[in-house]
Amino acid sequence: DIQMTQSPASLSASLDEIVTITCQASQDIGNWLAWYQQKPGKSPQLLIYGATSLADGVPSRFSGSRSGTQYSLKISRLQVEDTGIYYCLQRYSAPNTFGAGTKLELK
Amino acid sequence: QIQLVQSGPELKKPGESVKISCKASGYTFTNYGMYWVKQAPGQGLQYMGWINTETGKPTYADDFKGRFVFFLETSASTAYLQINNLKNEDMATYFCARSGNWFAYWGQGTLVTVSS
Repeated sequence: DIQMTQSPASLSASLDEIVTITCQASQDIGNWLAWYQQKPGKSPQLLIYGATSLADGVPSRFSGSRSGTQYSLKISRLQVEDTGIYYCLQRYSAPNTFGAGTKLELK
Repeated sequence: QIQLVQSGPELKKPGESVKISCKASGYTFTNYGMYWVKQAPGQGLQYMGWINTETGKPTYADDFKGRFVFFLETSASTAYLQINNLKNEDMATYFCARSGNWFAYWGQGTLVTVSS
């Protein structure tokens, strides 16, 4: 199975700060990576797909990038509503695997 | 609009079975597979597998082979997850998610509590 190593596990940042979360794949997954945000008691919401494409309705302050087998989610100017837990997901091969999650809080 | 509506919370005893439904609307049910994801309390997301809604063939991740069953009621555009011989470690919220569009559509989740 492909392992997705996500970091950091938790993150505290200030309003308007730039935030970056990363996922390292254990092998090549091409662009078969997505990012999700989950709020407490809610379903995950798709933010980024295909490593770099912004999902419909997602604010443009969110962006995704790839460097080899390392994938990053960047929030350019952190807003109050961006708190939650973020997960990466590889869809290159079965079983699809999630990163362990990053809990993002406001400082 | 596309919706996945799951059945309500369940309280079960160890050894019992539970059946969770995921009713789809707003699209042709058999055009997209249905995936299942487990989230234990305070934990991350865990991929369970999926069912081909055109053929009914299920595929299970290794941790979910044996007691877990995916099946369909195609006429009702509904996918089901049944867990047999419940164990304490099955206590979790279970989500269905539609394939295609990179899991843009999720059910609201169903909490299964296992307690004697």
